[in-house]
Amino acid sequence: QSVLTQPPSASGTPGQRVTISCSGSSSNIGDNTVAWYQQVPGTTPKLLIYRNNQRPSGVPDRFSGSKSGTSASLAISGLQSEDESDYYCAAWDDSLYGWVFGGGTKLTVL
Amino acid sequence: EVLLVESGGGLVQPGGSLRLSCAASGFAFNKYWMTWVRQAPGKGLEWVAHIHPDGSEKSFVDSVKGRFTISRDNSKSCLHLQMYSLRAEDTAKYYCAKGGISTPWVAMDVWGTGTTVIVSS
Repeated sequence: QSVLTQPPSASGTPGQRVTISCSGSSSNIGDNTVAWYQQVPGTTPKLLIYRNNQRPSGVPDRFSGSKSGTSASLAISGLQSEDESDYYCAAWDDSLYGWVFGGGTKLTVL
Repeated sequence: EVLLVESGGGLVQPGGSLRLSCAASGFAFNKYWMTWVRQAPGKGLEWVAHIHPDGSEKSFVDSVKGRFTISRDNSKSCLHLQMYSLRAEDTAKYYCAKGGISTPWVAMDVWGTGTTVIVSS
């Protein structure tokens, strides 16, 4: 049981906009910034978004993040087949004094 | 180029021990928090432990407290995870990841390719 809650799956067609939600609590998302990771199965997680909505260099601006209260979301616009991957949200947890992750969302591009 | 390369994984019996290492290059290792994250087969990511740039502060997820230790050798740009009393539920791919400079709550931006630990008789 992950501390952060994500939907197990999401889907969309090429060109569509898809959002993935991440729900937490006051000790993690409510009090700290959120990061998002993309992981193609069998490969290393890649940082997609940090500090709620910042993109590392090289990440397309099709990917955007937002946070409100104890929830966050990742939006992917102009969906492409290469976006088919697992996506994880993460946040620092003040109570655990460590990082907590969501259970991951498997994105399928139909 | 920032690189993290883990090693030391393998098959170990329940109750056994294993020491993982992570060789870092391409950045000032001694200035960054470093973290271990694991992923059980078919499961999500789980933070395991982290360590302060100078090794003075360490923190662990509850499930490994008292069984795992984390250390670093800044002279060799190397991170370690010593695992004792291993259990079947410790079976996972273990990743080392680079954190921030000043605080542990900066997102891990670079991850290694991971090393696999299998705990089984």
